[in-house]
Amino acid sequence: EVQLVQSGAEVKKPGESLKISCKGSGYSFTSYWIGWVRQMPGKGLEWMGIIYPGDSDTRYSPSFQGQVTISADKSISTAYLQWSSLKASDTAMYYCARLGTPENYFDYWGQGTLVTVSS
Amino acid sequence: AIRMTQSPSSFSASTGDRVTITCRASQGISSYLAWYQQKPGKAPKLLIYAASTLQSGVPSRFSGSGSGTDFTLTISCLQSEDFATYYCQQYYSYPPFTFGPGTKVDIK
Repeated sequence: EVQLVQSGAEVKKPGESLKISCKGSGYSFTSYWIGWVRQMPGKGLEWMGIIYPGDSDTRYSPSFQGQVTISADKSISTAYLQWSSLKASDTAMYYCARLGTPENYFDYWGQGTLVTVSS
Repeated sequence: AIRMTQSPSSFSASTGDRVTITCRASQGISSYLAWYQQKPGKAPKLLIYAASTLQSGVPSRFSGSGSGTDFTLTISCLQSEDFATYYCQQYYSYPPFTFGPGTKVDIK
């Protein structure tokens, strides 16, 4: 069974750094792209970027380029989303999801990680 | 980037109704369109991909159609568990593979 399990909720202050995780199981982690999706409170879904864990090839939405870093550690089947300096506007639910193949829709989703940034 | 719009943004319906949600792309995307369902406090769930292919395990009352720029999601007989927000997403051209703004279906 394909599963994506995300790390737990985080409460941070503006300016702090953060790295959240997404662990895949039940499939070949290195053979599928993993993506991150933001959902701000009461809002819709925003595609942030994707990574191919097999070679760490990464693609970002222009809206998120330079704002976050997506990475992966294939040895532990885990993808990451990180911030070097959080802002209050980063408060949101973040989902990881697997891209299907050969077509690039998200076929499996993690449960989400709520990030709250507040002074 | 390709822009996606959905209509209506929200509406009320009754159990047993036939409902249709429309999604439009700002340029042609062939059939590279997916539909997701999201319930409050839950992760989105894939319903349909390639505009009209039902994901495994999704009830047959859900169907999708369209190609190019105009697409529809139809629920033939609305059930209580179908009250949710529905998003379309293009995966023709990236980055990003943009989502539509969502359509919320609630109980009349």
